[in-house]
This record gives sequence, C-alpha cells and structure tokens, in this order.
Amino acid sequence: EPEVTQTPSHQVTQMGQEVILRCVPISNHLYFYWYRQILGQKVEFLVSFYNNEISEKSEIFDDQFSVERPDGSNFTLKIRSTKLEDSAMYFCASEWSMNTEAFFGQGTRLTVV
Amino acid sequence: LAKTTQPISMDSYEGQEVNITCSHNNIATNDYITWYQQFPSQGPRFIIQGYKTKVTNEVASLFIPADRKSSTLSLPRVSLSDTAVYYCLVGDRGGATNKLIFGTGTLLAVQP
Repeated sequence: EPEVTQTPSHQVTQMGQEVILRCVPISNHLYFYWYRQILGQKVEFLVSFYNNEISEKSEIFDDQFSVERPDGSNFTLKIRSTKLEDSAMYFCASEWSMNTEAFFGQGTRLTVV
Repeated sequence: LAKTTQPISMDSYEGQEVNITCSHNNIATNDYITWYQQFPSQGPRFIIQGYKTKVTNEVASLFIPADRKSSTLSLPRVSLSDTAVYYCLVGDRGGATNKLIFGTGTLLAVQP
C-alpha cells in the first residue's frame, strides 16, 4: 500500500531555532496538508496546499510557519523560530482529490527545549 | 462545519461487534461523514466514508439514517489490535474547504 513518509521521526531543538519537517506524499496525490497534535489533545489542522500554493491555513499557521514543495516530491513545513508551545506531533497528509481518503504519515515528534 | 458528538470512551471484548454512534444534528446537505482511527503516536488512518444509508468495506460498516443527523460505525468481531481512538468527522470536503476537523474522538478499549 502506498504511504506518506515523514522525516525525521523525532526532532529535538532549542527554543528560537529553525526546524524543517519533511514529508514525501504519495506520488500521484495533488492535495497536501500539515496537521499537529499536542500531547493529549486533538489533531489540529495547520495548512492545506494545492497547485503550488496554500489553499487554506488555520490561525495556528502564523508568520513563523511556512510550507514548500521544492522539487515535486517533497513537502516541507518550516518553523522559523520555535517556541516551547510548538512541541507536538506534526502529521503530513495527502490525497489525490477532494472528498477522498486522506493518507497520513507516521508523524514527526518535535520537542522544543 | 457541523459539530459532532461521540462517546469519550467505550469498552469491549475480543470477538464482539462494536457500534460507535456519532451525532451531528447540524449536518449540511453537502456534508459527508468520515471515520478515522488513530493508534498512539501514529497518524490517523481512514476507515470509511459515506453520505447516506449504508456503506461497507473490508474493515467496517457505516450506517446513516435518512435524516443524517447521526451515524454509527460498526466494527465486526473486534480484536485487541482495534484498541484505538475513533474519530467521526463531518464536512463538505469537496467545497470551499477540504481540511479535516477532528474532535476528541472515542477511545475504544478492547479487552481479551
């Protein structure tokens, strides 16, 4: 079965540092997403990306966050200056069309110290 | 997006059928009902999606009454590995927004 791959599985960073979380979506998919889940809380939508641009973003996705699809296969989430409250599991998801099954990656656990 | 309400937790035993009901009184005409499963420290995994009546796949069935104000996810003959959080999501993912809005879900605990 095709899968969404995320790297690294775990990242520890110091507060104020930049981090880049990487995702390889399923190859024929067109819609890409980032979600996050703070420990013990709900899965929260961050941003959706289609046709090389952001189609929607949540209030969480402020100026410290950015996404990029640099080479047609990778999909990255950058946090410019991490805060303690950015510690969470970050999930990448992709789907080939709207209203179809979204496939999630295994997540990157980001720990900001 | 329609708000959903589902039980916080449920207990079951191996081999039993489990039915998790979700209420969504404000469901809109274009909304679909989708269920996801999540194991600890893993990403959510799609289980099933439907619009009305009944949908069945290899892992579950989804029952949606005519008024669509609720839905029931049915898991036949659960095993220990079905212990997970189950999320009911309702939304028009083919419309202006295609994001998934997760609630708190139902924690299903399957005992031997």
